[in-house]
Amino acid sequence: DQQVKQNSPSLSVQEGRISILNCDYTNSMFDYFLWYKKYPAEGPTFLISISSIKDKNEDGRFTVFLNKSAKHLSLHIVPSQPGDSAVYFCVGNQGGKLIFGQGTELSVKP
Amino acid sequence: DTGVSQNPRHKITKRGQNVTFRCDPISEHNRLYWYRQTLGQGPEFLTYFQNEAQLEKSRLLSDRFSAERPKGSFSTLEIQRTEQGDSAMYLCASSLGDRGLDTEAFFGQGTRLTVV
Repeated sequence: DQQVKQNSPSLSVQEGRISILNCDYTNSMFDYFLWYKKYPAEGPTFLISISSIKDKNEDGRFTVFLNKSAKHLSLHIVPSQPGDSAVYFCVGNQGGKLIFGQGTELSVKP
Repeated sequence: DTGVSQNPRHKITKRGQNVTFRCDPISEHNRLYWYRQTLGQGPEFLTYFQNEAQLEKSRLLSDRFSAERPKGSFSTLEIQRTEQGDSAMYLCASSLGDRGLDTEAFFGQGTRLTVV
């Protein structure tokens, strides 16, 4: 039962352009959503979050959009930089328990 | 360094042996999580603690797995009679707060287990 789904295993973007990572979920009980970023040989690190009562949260180059009716969220990175190349995980939070998607590997090419 | 610390970083063991991993969370973080990650997948929830109380254990976790957090500080994850399918990265994370009020969990670098 995959409660959080990231259907694109990989994404390649040119430096300076926008990266859009998508995520769908099935669990209506999630009260927060988060995005984590992971480099090889490191643990995931927190990037940005959004409450289930909001539809947008912005932090610098990163913006997360939430569409509750569609059970869909997306992470926008503008402008993309080569250092953004990593695996990005969409995460649902239900009362403190974190449920991860499968991840999308972003490659930003110079 | 006040981050989440996991030991050992790597463990190679023979099938059938028992292994134990340790996690030291960030000081004063009352919530501690264990996750398992295999290649190409996201971290899979195993169990979590609020202080010393184990609040939930994944039904995917067999009886060979046990976790403890005896004094509400560090935690151990033990796998008995290891199988090749247990080979994975085992991640520990900790966070402050309750009921998602502080939503950020900090992860350690993980323990990579290889069962041969």
